[in-house]
Amino acid sequence: GENVEQHPSTLSVQEGDSAVIKCTYSDSASNYFPWYKQELGKGPQLIIDIRSNVGEKKDQRIAVTLNKTAKHFSLHITETQPEDSAVYFCGEAGTALIFGKGTTLSVSS
Amino acid sequence: KAGVTQTPRYLIKTRGQQVTLSCSPISGHRSVSWYQQTPGQGLQFLFEYFSETQRNKGNFPGRFSGRQFSNSRSEMNVSTLELGDSALYLCASSLGGATYNEQFFGPGTRLTVL
Repeated sequence: GENVEQHPSTLSVQEGDSAVIKCTYSDSASNYFPWYKQELGKGPQLIIDIRSNVGEKKDQRIAVTLNKTAKHFSLHITETQPEDSAVYFCGEAGTALIFGKGTTLSVSS
Repeated sequence: KAGVTQTPRYLIKTRGQQVTLSCSPISGHRSVSWYQQTPGQGLQFLFEYFSETQRNKGNFPGRFSGRQFSNSRSEMNVSTLELGDSALYLCASSLGGATYNEQFFGPGTRLTVL
């Protein structure tokens, strides 16, 4: 069945550093990979997504890379700021959209 | 445009009771998905409805059920509540269709089972 593993579960960085979160998936038919950010007391919100026909996508300080052969994709946040502190979820869509267990990112100033 | 709304926001029930949660999607969205969020388990997929039909279902027992109405509003029901059902229940809506696109999440319903 579908399964997505996300690492690390917690990540602490200094303001200005980069943060990388990685996910691996098992369903070779998956073709849509979103990343969501969840702030305290709120529902998750999409920050970036990528489809299987693209290897990389950037939006200002965030980027996502996809390696379909290895079945893994990563979120890269550069020049981190305290407001980037949140829980991040990777998602994988094959027959259904499922999510990893989340990464709690803490950015200290 | 109004976002996804969920009612109630908080709920306290006792073991053995049943509960119904409601979700109103963004206007024009035809797909509604439900997720259970617990510490350490992330977002676990319950089911997805599209045009009043269940399109996908996660690995949850039959005590968890749902439905979607003609106006795309959705409800989920949990019968014979267990302590382990305590969680944040999130619904998300999207346009639907053949390919996946952005899902918009509501604020969730916090269910506590005593």
